[in-house]
Amino acid sequence: DIQMTQFPSSLSASVGDRVTITCRASQGIRNDLGWFQQKPGKAPERLIYAASNLQSGVPSRFSGSESGTEFTLTISSLQPEDVATYYCLQHHAYPLTFGGGTKVEI
Amino acid sequence: QVQLQQWGAGLLVPSETLSLTCAVSGGSLSGYYWNWIRQPPGKGLEWIGEINQSGITNYNPSLKSRVALLVDTSQNQVFLRLRSVTAADTAVYYCARWPLREDPFDSWGQGTLVTVSS
Repeated sequence: DIQMTQFPSSLSASVGDRVTITCRASQGIRNDLGWFQQKPGKAPERLIYAASNLQSGVPSRFSGSESGTEFTLTISSLQPEDVATYYCLQHHAYPLTFGGGTKVEI
Repeated sequence: QVQLQQWGAGLLVPSETLSLTCAVSGGSLSGYYWNWIRQPPGKGLEWIGEINQSGITNYNPSLKSRVALLVDTSQNQVFLRLRSVTAADTAVYYCARWPLREDPFDSWGQGTLVTVSS
């Protein structure tokens, strides 16, 4: 199985801060990676697909990038509504695997 | 706009079979893989498996011996069966859509909490 190591597991930041979350894959996965936001009691929602493509309707303060087997989700200016847990997902190989999640608080 | 509506029994005793339904409205089953993902309380996400409209499946090896995914194209529904449940299977279960030749999980069901307790 491809392991997705996500860090940090939690963070606290202020409104307007730049926030960075990273996922590292245990092997190459090309750009077969997505980022998901999950608010308490809700289903996850896709923010980013193919590592760096913004899902329609998602604010432009969210962005994704990749460097080899390391993938980054950036929130350029944290907003109160961004309080959530974020997960990466690799779909390069079965079984699909998620990162452990990053809980973002303000 | 596609909608995924889930339902199923929310309380099971150990050794029973978990059965959940995901009904798809506003779209066809064709052209997609229909996935199931679960999340134990307070924990992360685990992929269970997927099925397409032809009944072709892929399963997580960690659950493959106990899980079955089924499809009913006439009802536009997909089904999850997980047998011999234990407390470790307590989780919120989600169905999610993966468009063919695109990236996964652009739409999700609302989730169903299943608790396994004696």
